[in-house]
Amino acid sequence: GENVEQHPSTLSVQEGDSAVIKCTYSDSASNYFPWYKQELGKRPQLIIDIRSNVGEKKDQRIAVTLNKTAKHFSLHITETQPEDSAVYFCAAPPIIQGAQKLVFGQGTRLTINP
Amino acid sequence: KAGVTQTPRYLIKTRGQQVTLSCSPISGHRSVSWYQQTPGQGLQFLFEYFSETQRNKGNFPGRFSGRQFSNSRSEMNVSTLELGDSALYLCASSSTGSNEKLFFGSGTQLSVL
Repeated sequence: GENVEQHPSTLSVQEGDSAVIKCTYSDSASNYFPWYKQELGKRPQLIIDIRSNVGEKKDQRIAVTLNKTAKHFSLHITETQPEDSAVYFCAAPPIIQGAQKLVFGQGTRLTINP
Repeated sequence: KAGVTQTPRYLIKTRGQQVTLSCSPISGHRSVSWYQQTPGQGLQFLFEYFSETQRNKGNFPGRFSGRQFSNSRSEMNVSTLELGDSALYLCASSSTGSNEKLFFGSGTQLSVL
């Protein structure tokens, strides 16, 4: 089945600097890669996703890149702000026809230092 | 539209008891998935329901079960509770088929004493 590895498990950056979180997946047929942000005590929320037919997607200060050959994808946050502090999860779906299932990485706790 | 609603928000049970958690998806969403979140194991997939049918199941024992009603609301049941079942149980809904955006509820925090 699908296996998703996420690194690092914790990340601390100075406000204004960039943060990068990386994930690798095992199922080469996976075609959808979302990123979720979970603030303390709150629900995970989708912040950006990418499908396998594109290599990069941007939304203001966040971007996701995908390398299908190497089976890895990354989240990039630029000009970090205190409100970016949260746990970030990547995910990938095993290809199961007609079913919804995401396999999540273990999460990265991002801390933005003022 | 209202978001995904889970009840109750907190639950305290003792070992051996059973528990039922409820999830109301976003209006129009027909797929409901359940995940268990623990500090050590992250987000683990439990099962997914679509149009009252279980389409997919994770690697959890048979004590964990669920169902979905005709209005897409879903319930999850855990029988013979164990201490290790203490976790945040999250439900998520999506509109139709596979690889769709998931919208999570706030979860039910279950503590087993």
